[in-house]
Amino acid sequence: EAGVAQSPRYKIIEKRQSVAFWCNPISGHATLYWYQQILGQGPKLLIQFQNNGVVDDSQLPKDRFSAERLKGVDSTLKIQPAKLEDSAVYLCASSQKTENSGEYFGPGTRLTVT
Amino acid sequence: AQSVTQLGSHVSVSEGALVLLRCNYSSSVPPYLFWYVQYPNQGLQLLLKYTSAATLVKGINGFEAEFKKSETSFHLTKPSAHMSDAAEYFCAVSDINNNDMRFGAGTRLTVKP
Repeated sequence: EAGVAQSPRYKIIEKRQSVAFWCNPISGHATLYWYQQILGQGPKLLIQFQNNGVVDDSQLPKDRFSAERLKGVDSTLKIQPAKLEDSAVYLCASSQKTENSGEYFGPGTRLTVT
Repeated sequence: AQSVTQLGSHVSVSEGALVLLRCNYSSSVPPYLFWYVQYPNQGLQLLLKYTSAATLVKGINGFEAEFKKSETSFHLTKPSAHMSDAAEYFCAVSDINNNDMRFGAGTRLTVKP
C-alpha cells in the first residue's frame, strides 16, 4: 500500500511570497488532515477534510492560509503572503473513517521563510 | 476541547534500561489515545493506539501503553531500551471519529550506550 505523498519536500521563500503544498492521501482514505509542526513542538491541526468537505478549520489562519480538496482525493495548502513565523514542517495525514483507524502521515514539507 | 500533556521534554536512558514516557490527557468525551514516533527527518509513525477495547495496548517495536482512566494517563513503556529507539515521541488524543486530534509537545528520547 502506497503511503501519503507530499511535495515538495523542502521550500525556501522570502516573506510576503506565496507558496503551495500538495498532498495525495492513501487510496480510499476519506479523511485528510494538514498539520503545522514548528521546530520543537508537536503538530498542530490546521484543517481536516472529510471527502471534499471541511470538518474542522478552527486553527487555520484564514487571513493567509487556504486549503482545498476539490475532488475528495488530493489536497493543496496555500500560504499567501508568508510570514517568518510560518517556517515549519507541514504534515499531511490521512485516515479511514472507522473507529479504530489512526492517522497515516506523509514525510512533510519543510518550509523556511527568510 | 481535548488536550494531552507530556511530562518531560527530554528523557535519557541507558541501553537495556526501562523506557517510561509519560502522557496525561484531558477530554470531555471518551477519548482515543495514540503514541507516535518521529525519527529525524522522517514523518510520524503510529506506534500504538487505544480505542476503548483493552486498556493495555501493545504496539510495534516492543512498546506498550496502559490506559488508566482514574489517572487520566496513557504512559508509554518498553522494558529494555535499544539504541534504535532514540527519537521524538508524541502522545495524541482524539474523539472516537478521529476528529479534533491534538498532539502533545513531544518527548525526545536519548539512549546511551
